[in-house]
Amino acid sequence: QSVLTQPPSVSAAPGQKVTISCSGSSSNIGNNYVSWYQQLPGTAPKLLIYDNNKRPSGIPDRFSGSKSGTSATLGITGLQTGDEADYYCGTWDSSLSAGGGGYVFGTGTKVTVL
Amino acid sequence: EVQLVESGGVVVQPGGSLRLSCAASGFTFDDYAMHWVRQAPGKGLEWVSLISWDGGSTYYADSVKGRFTISRDNSKNSLYLQMNSLRAEDTALYYCAAGSVYFDYWGQGTLVTVSS
Repeated sequence: QSVLTQPPSVSAAPGQKVTISCSGSSSNIGNNYVSWYQQLPGTAPKLLIYDNNKRPSGIPDRFSGSKSGTSATLGITGLQTGDEADYYCGTWDSSLSAGGGGYVFGTGTKVTVL
Repeated sequence: EVQLVESGGVVVQPGGSLRLSCAASGFTFDDYAMHWVRQAPGKGLEWVSLISWDGGSTYYADSVKGRFTISRDNSKNSLYLQMNSLRAEDTALYYCAAGSVYFDYWGQGTLVTVSS
């Protein structure tokens, strides 16, 4: 069971905007950078956002990330059919493994373009 | 072109052992920490293990600690996961991924099925 909670699904029409929340705690999001991953059907995950709000080369600026306290948010504007995918947040959690720490992913959110 | 190619996934009986490999190319392998991440059929991502760039530090998810061992050979640009005492709940697609606190690069995964 993941310690990072995301909504199971979000949807919007083409061209619209969606936001995906990722809720955690002080041991994970509250004190560590958050990253976001896109997993298109049948493919491996791909890095979308790192260090809370930075985009790797090649990721369009329609994708944005933010963090406040123990929550993070991924925003997608100008929604396209090609954005239909599962999206995961992730971060380090210092409380796992008897304090040794470990990485955690969110529960995942399916984005549907109506 | 960056490539991470996993191999070694097969069908194995409960209690059995398996060694996964990940061959890296197209980037400076020993500049990166490496991870194993798994995804059970129809489920979300689960982080399994991390090894530092030099192999000096390793971390494991509680679900695999004591059963799995991560290692790397920088001279061969390769990452490994020794999996012992396998359980049905270890059935998943296993990805290797490069990065420290985020995963820059991912492989396509190798499927491990634990079943009698």
